[in-house]
Amino acid sequence: SQQGEEDPQALSIQEGENATMNCSYKTSINNLQWYRQNSGRGLVHLILIRSNEREKHSGRLRVTLDTSKKSSSLLITASRAADTASYFCATVRAAYSGAGSYQLTFGKGTKLSVIP
Amino acid sequence: AAGVIQSPRHLIKEKRETATLKCYPIPRHDTVYWYQQGPGQDPQFLISFYEKMQSDKGSIPDRFSAQQFSDYHSELNMSSLELGDSALYFCASSLVLAGPEEQFFGPGTRLTVL
Repeated sequence: SQQGEEDPQALSIQEGENATMNCSYKTSINNLQWYRQNSGRGLVHLILIRSNEREKHSGRLRVTLDTSKKSSSLLITASRAADTASYFCATVRAAYSGAGSYQLTFGKGTKLSVIP
Repeated sequence: AAGVIQSPRHLIKEKRETATLKCYPIPRHDTVYWYQQGPGQDPQFLISFYEKMQSDKGSIPDRFSAQQFSDYHSELNMSSLELGDSALYFCASSLVLAGPEEQFFGPGTRLTVL
């Protein structure tokens, strides 16, 4: 079953604008990660936020985590055409059942289009 | 820096054939994960290995099997292929000594079943 749901499913903005994507999940987590995927290509790790953190920044990226609402948001500021991609949130569950059990459960992704 | 290597990058098979996908993790990484991503779908976890032992299984069909070898590379074996097996297959590796951290993904193998 899907862990996360992402909102919106698709987002189209002008270059220079900010893009906000939201993610919800269902179970207790150890951490939440955001990945980027260009069409049909590999997954690139963007940022990781742990369950005891509320906000994290990396360059033009800002991630928030609200464990009480089981939700996270990814903000990309001053977007560029090169930011056009699909963005996925992925969670690592809190329950530990042995090393190597940290598989990612992905949300459905937001397809971001940045128009030059 | 070395990345995760997957081969082949593209594979075309007929129904009921078999396929073997290979993954070479980043050196010194102790864990390998396999994921399947169908067209327009999110990646789904298949199976993982820690120090050459299977550690967890996800939604992996019985027709699929995998193993990790002494040199830490991993192979995903797929038999009796079905049209629905057409997907991108990703391998990821990580070092879990310090707990769940970033997973590094390979470029994927695109499998097309005709």
